[in-house]
Amino acid sequence: ETGVTQSPTHLIKTRGQQVTLRCSSQSGHNTVSWYQQALGQGPQFIFQYYREEENGRGNFPPRFSGLQFPNYSSELNVNALELDDSALYLCASSSMTGELFFGEGSRLTVL
Amino acid sequence: QQPVQSPQAVILREGEDAVINCSSSKALYSVHWYRQKHGEAPVFLMILLKGGEQKGHEKISASFNEKKQQSSLYLTASQLSYSGTYFCGTERMGNDMRFGAGTRLTVKP
Repeated sequence: ETGVTQSPTHLIKTRGQQVTLRCSSQSGHNTVSWYQQALGQGPQFIFQYYREEENGRGNFPPRFSGLQFPNYSSELNVNALELDDSALYLCASSSMTGELFFGEGSRLTVL
Repeated sequence: QQPVQSPQAVILREGEDAVINCSSSKALYSVHWYRQKHGEAPVFLMILLKGGEQKGHEKISASFNEKKQQSSLYLTASQLSYSGTYFCGTERMGNDMRFGAGTRLTVKP
């Protein structure tokens, strides 16, 4: 176990709806990254938060947004869901040494 | 900006060796290697930070050629537990990890 927990583990939404995914990082880690992993693909970088500030962003539209809280837990929000948003969403916290510790993910299905 | 991995898939017998390659078109700050088993989260294997660095982890080791922007993962005397999909992750600035499409490794008895 990595100590990174995500919720919910599975959820089903319909097109146009909004979703919030949550992540609790490993104790002592102040950096959290979010990734989208489609079936059979590698994780795609969405964004990274460091001490509550967005610290890097991948090629995702603004309807993907996030927050990091003072306890370093994090949320990923996706508005106006599209069918292509169906994927496994992974949260990873990292230490000063840089390695990523992934949670088990939240599997989102958009119908 | 995603690194390119090769091969896409490899099948081995227990005890055989394998090499997985990862290359980038951009200068790199670091290279990470992760293994993901079906239905599970990726698990960290190792990170290489310096050009020409080599690291080892049990019978799994890796090299990083900074000039060529390439990294290779070496699996020797493979075991059944090595099966999974291997991803390389590359960073250019230290906060923008990009993963390759993965290499599916199957080890058979």
